[in-house]
Amino acid sequence: DSGVTQTPKHLITATGQRVTLRCSPRSGDLSVYWYQQSLDQGLQFLIQYYNGEERAKGNILERFSAQQFPDLHSELNLSSLELGDSALYFCASSGRLAASTDTQYFGPGTRLTVL
Amino acid sequence: SQKIEQNSEALNIQEGKTATLTCNYTNYSPAYLQWYRQDPGRGPVFLLLIRENEKEKRKERLKVTFDTTLKQSLFHITASQPADSATYLCALGRGSYIPTFGRGTSLIVHP
Repeated sequence: DSGVTQTPKHLITATGQRVTLRCSPRSGDLSVYWYQQSLDQGLQFLIQYYNGEERAKGNILERFSAQQFPDLHSELNLSSLELGDSALYFCASSGRLAASTDTQYFGPGTRLTVL
Repeated sequence: SQKIEQNSEALNIQEGKTATLTCNYTNYSPAYLQWYRQDPGRGPVFLLLIRENEKEKRKERLKVTFDTTLKQSLFHITASQPADSATYLCALGRGSYIPTFGRGTSLIVHP
């Protein structure tokens, strides 16, 4: 158990809909990262937050947004969903500002299926 | 753009043998390389980190090498066990940039 929790575990929705994925980092970790993993793309970095502020952006679509709250939990919002958004979404956390060599602790993931 | 290559074909080996997985990269000069293990439907778990000035790193039955000339890292599991069966991901990073992950190689250890 990494100490990172994600809810829900599974999510099934229809095209055009909007969903929110939730992540609670390990106790004491200030950085939260979101990743998307699909069979054809591998593990793709989406966005990083540190202590409530956006710190790094990866291949995140404009239809996706995220935020980190004062209690350090984070939410990833996916809107206008398309079939291609079906994937596993992972949250990871680490202690310090820069990911660099910091170990990232991954949550169990949310499996999103868009029908 | 940078490219990370891990064998997409599964590696099948017999229990007790040494498994060797490869991570090749191009158009990049990483300062460090990480290896993660991922079980089906679960998040990756960090295993080892090796820096560009280190040739080799060991942890129990695991050994990682990093050859910046060949642009390659090798990940070895000695005395492999069926419980080692999983997908292994390499990730390359530099400075404060978020590391980039390879797609991983599946290892299957047969009893």
